[in-house]
Amino acid sequence: GAGVSQSPSNKVTEKGKDVELRCDPISGHTALYWYRQSLGQGLEFLIYFQGNSAPDKSGLPSDRFSAERTGGSVSTLTIQRTQQEDSAVYLCASSLAGEADTQYFGPGTRLTVL
Amino acid sequence: QKEVEQDPGPLSVPEGAIVSLNCTYSNSAFQYFMWYRQYSRKGPELLMYTYSSGNKEDGRFTAQVDKSSKYISLFIRDSQPSDSATYLCAMSAPRGSTLGRLYFGRGTQLTVWP
Repeated sequence: GAGVSQSPSNKVTEKGKDVELRCDPISGHTALYWYRQSLGQGLEFLIYFQGNSAPDKSGLPSDRFSAERTGGSVSTLTIQRTQQEDSAVYLCASSLAGEADTQYFGPGTRLTVL
Repeated sequence: QKEVEQDPGPLSVPEGAIVSLNCTYSNSAFQYFMWYRQYSRKGPELLMYTYSSGNKEDGRFTAQVDKSSKYISLFIRDSQPSDSATYLCAMSAPRGSTLGRLYFGRGTQLTVWP
């Protein structure tokens, strides 16, 4: 079946612009996670959605970052007023409810802020 | 102190060598332990999954967990050039706990040369 998909695969933007990154989770997966991976770094947790519960936003690095999940499926990560330090690969993963130990990752969106 | 510590390497070995990758952690609530493999410009994929202390073997790969020492390992026997990738350890609390996400190490970059 279809895996996690993300779009765009690459995004180049100018400093100060807003960007939106999209994630389509595996059908039936109610848990969705966003991570950031900077060059040479591990996965930095950003935000976690589980069903209709309030999302865990504890990893968002600043108020320029926000995410929403519409209809319990597709999620959009928005970065406002992008900075050069936002350049990274943004990865999305999904899992069945309560099964954070079995996450499936998308291919990521490579964001470059000039 | 980060929740999960992993030496980023890089690690370079000849084909056929035995590779040992390790992580330590600080949170005794972690019960599930995973190893992800990430090829260049791809999302991470689940390689090994273990629960509780002990060993788990899958082909050339062996995952080892020592909860008393808060230490996990991944061994790769008869390493192949196709094993060249970044290996990330990850762990999570029991399903249904409030720690509803994975905690990742930084990843170890492995190169196996012919």
